[in-house]
Amino acid sequence: AQKVTQAQTEISVVEKEDVTLDCVYETRDTTYYLFWYKQPPSGELVFLIRRNSFDEQNEISGRYSWNFQKSTSSFNFTITASQVVDSAVYFCALSEPPSKTSYDKVIFGPGTSLSVIP
Amino acid sequence: NAGVTQTPKFRILKIGQSMTLQCAQDMNHNYMYWYRQDPGMGLKLIYYSVGAGITDKGEVPNGYNVSRSTTEDFPLRLELAAPSQTSVYFCASRAGRENSPLHFGNGTRLTVT
Repeated sequence: AQKVTQAQTEISVVEKEDVTLDCVYETRDTTYYLFWYKQPPSGELVFLIRRNSFDEQNEISGRYSWNFQKSTSSFNFTITASQVVDSAVYFCALSEPPSKTSYDKVIFGPGTSLSVIP
Repeated sequence: NAGVTQTPKFRILKIGQSMTLQCAQDMNHNYMYWYRQDPGMGLKLIYYSVGAGITDKGEVPNGYNVSRSTTEDFPLRLELAAPSQTSVYFCASRAGRENSPLHFGNGTRLTVT
């Protein structure tokens, strides 16, 4: 069965520090997709990035970077030089293609609440 | 382009009452999802649909019902509200491929007392 674990419930950092949010997933499929979403204090959910299981290249977008390691079933998210605007809850999610028993659903981890202190 | 629209934004129900949470999308997405978000628990999948007339249970379907008669609409029905259903409910849609990101509505905050 699918499962997404985000062991860090809450993290506090001082502005300009780097921070890494961990995501570990479980799946029986060889084809799957991983996502990160951001939920700022205003409550909306914003898509940040997706990665498919065949692409283990790390990705960098500005101050954000993602490290996908299939060997450890992890898809970690690093914010460099954190800013107060990065304060939010961050969710990791897993999507699999349809199977004999289900259609392609998207399962979320419990989220990590990040507070960046000025 | 409205995207995913959820109504109402807030609702207070008494125990045992029924209500329908509305969700509509204008992106012609086949796939639609209902999640609930409890504090510290992340997003739990309630029901989802892969097209008109096709729905399936998610992780926490008990106490809820859905129907999908059109591509645009995916209402969530609570038949006998219980305090355990106090939560924030999010509707989402996506184009239909498993690598497509979800587009979320702004949520409905429901309190059952």
